[in-house]
Amino acid sequence: GIQVEQSPPDLILQEGANSTLRCNFSDSVNNLQWFHQNPWGQLINLFYIPSGTKQNGRLSATTVATERYSLLYISSSQTTDSGVYFCAVGSRHGSGNTGKLIFGQGTTLQVKP
Amino acid sequence: GAVVSQHPSWVICKSGTSVKIECRSLDFQATTMFWYRQFPKQSLMLMATSNEGSKATYEQGVEKDKFLINHASLTLSTLTVTSAHPEDSSFYICSASSPRLAGSMYEQYFGPGTRLTVT
Repeated sequence: GIQVEQSPPDLILQEGANSTLRCNFSDSVNNLQWFHQNPWGQLINLFYIPSGTKQNGRLSATTVATERYSLLYISSSQTTDSGVYFCAVGSRHGSGNTGKLIFGQGTTLQVKP
Repeated sequence: GAVVSQHPSWVICKSGTSVKIECRSLDFQATTMFWYRQFPKQSLMLMATSNEGSKATYEQGVEKDKFLINHASLTLSTLTVTSAHPEDSSFYICSASSPRLAGSMYEQYFGPGTRLTVT
């Protein structure tokens, strides 16, 4: 099945700094989503981005499908950005094309005041 | 839009008993619902995929007789953990998708999760 790798596994930033999180995947995708998991466990949808570039406030994301990677940019980080960021992909191939997502291991971000 | 709820948010049960977790799509009809499991400090692992009115498709290694999934309507799916044991203690999260939602038929929206503790 499709493999998903996220880097770095952990990241510590000072408030106000910028960061880039990376997601590599091993096959063609029809779905790629970025999530932020808050301290209570809720997954917050950040981007649905199987290709192209999107921006939402201080966050932006780019997926280069032909090279099988996606990047999540966080600018001017705030303490509330702390938490775990997951990339999840849906393979274009595989039996039934059910739309299921495979999650990476996540990047744990800590933003210090 | 695209809100998914779960109930209960947390539950404690005794070993050997069964627990039912509900997942509802509140403002859309979900053609497909998914159930995930997450252990502390780990990623989410897909347990099963369910479509309304049909049997769930379980991932390899997931016991279908232990984790019963019912998707009775386009807004409700349930996960029943039967004869629960301490090793079933985990965070269970559901998600839902619909081709009618803006974005993509494949985009998933997640519930807030249910924390299960088996004593």
